[in-house]
Amino acid sequence: GQQLNQSPQSMFIQEGEDVSMNCTSSSIFNTWLWYKQDPGEGPVLLIALYKAGELTSNGRLTAQFGITRKDSFLNISASIPSDVGIYFCAGLNSWGKLQFGAGTQVVVTP
Amino acid sequence: DTGVSQDPRHKITKRGQNVTFRCDPISEHNRLYWYRQTLGQGPEFLTYFQNEAQLEKSRLLSDRFSAERPKGSFSTLEIQRTEQGDSAMYLCASRPKTVGADTQYFGPGTRLTVL
Repeated sequence: GQQLNQSPQSMFIQEGEDVSMNCTSSSIFNTWLWYKQDPGEGPVLLIALYKAGELTSNGRLTAQFGITRKDSFLNISASIPSDVGIYFCAGLNSWGKLQFGAGTQVVVTP
Repeated sequence: DTGVSQDPRHKITKRGQNVTFRCDPISEHNRLYWYRQTLGQGPEFLTYFQNEAQLEKSRLLSDRFSAERPKGSFSTLEIQRTEQGDSAMYLCASRPKTVGADTQYFGPGTRLTVL
């Protein structure tokens, strides 16, 4: 089963607001990945983090790899309607097995 | 780079039938992974290949499931005697050889519905 605790489970926000979500684990990971999934599609990679403490941005997205290597967070700034979807964190161990959180559903209202 | 492709995108079958899904990874990605995703959950690991060798299988992969990657390129996942509990999205991902920039790229998935 999944070992990652992702929160919040869902978020209802207004366009223009910032969004924050986080993921914690009982295990240490070498890599943290954040994906976005639209209905009926596969997850799309947003950001990859490779070093503890690393802070990485991709446009309006910013993610950090926690110092303990057991947590990560994702921020979305100035949300827009196309940010709607389910965001997943995933920890990657040394031989490539991904463990996912249960996802954060983001709904953006105009 | 054409991305990971999966076929079919949707499959509806009756309980007890066999189904087979195909995954074509990104070219030159030597590792290929299969995941299963049920509603409201993140994907769960099923099995993975390095080239043609199947190196790990999850306990989720019962005896009715078999996966192959005969030439180290595309892979197939077969489910025999399907059950309603097999209904899920089956996702394939590929991973590049590059060391130090590890990640996985997913295909669009195959949605299986067992009636």
